[in-house]
Amino acid sequence: DAGVTQSPTHLIKTRGQQVTLRCSPKSGHDTVSWYQQALGQGPQFIFQYYEEEERQRGNFPDRFSGHQFPNYSSELNVNALLLGDSALYLCASRFTTSGSREQYFGPGTRLTVT
Amino acid sequence: KQEVTQIPAALSVPEGENLVLNCSFTDSAIYNLQWFRQDPGKGLTSLLLIQSSQREQTSGRLNASLDKSSGRSTLYIAASQPGDSATYLCAVSIRGSTLGRLYFGRGTQLTVWP
Repeated sequence: DAGVTQSPTHLIKTRGQQVTLRCSPKSGHDTVSWYQQALGQGPQFIFQYYEEEERQRGNFPDRFSGHQFPNYSSELNVNALLLGDSALYLCASRFTTSGSREQYFGPGTRLTVT
Repeated sequence: KQEVTQIPAALSVPEGENLVLNCSFTDSAIYNLQWFRQDPGKGLTSLLLIQSSQREQTSGRLNASLDKSSGRSTLYIAASQPGDSATYLCAVSIRGSTLGRLYFGRGTQLTVWP
């Protein structure tokens, strides 16, 4: 049973560029969340997707956008990259009707903006 | 707004010691609390999940307790080993947030030396 997978593993971009990160949820999971983790910090919630719609959003600017596909996989897009966007981007998935609400995280994508 | 704090920020102990990591949260209306392990530059591995109606959960040498009324949780690690060296994060899911957004602390960085 494959867990949560993310691609790419590492990415280096220049300020002002755009980036797309990808996530495939754990088998059977239908809700995907994205988190940003800066060095030495705890993960910060970006947004959450369910039924191909953004359901919740954290305190992130509109430069951060996303999408969920019919197969439940998801993309995170960041436009007009800033140096401060350098971080580990984590994807988490869960099954919506799971009473436990336990979430499973992927290995992350390390984004470096120069 | 839910705030999660973890103490201490870092801990260095010799192999074999029993140790306690602390987590506190400001809003006691939580749905559950999860403890995660994170190795350097990697994703999060779920260790234990405690529902708000539970007092503790155990897995091997790990025991997590929850005191919802005081807004506290502890992670007890028995007979620590060098392989336990990692950052330990706690996160809470709050009630009313049906899709399980997690609020994280900044983590405790644990080093166990031989």
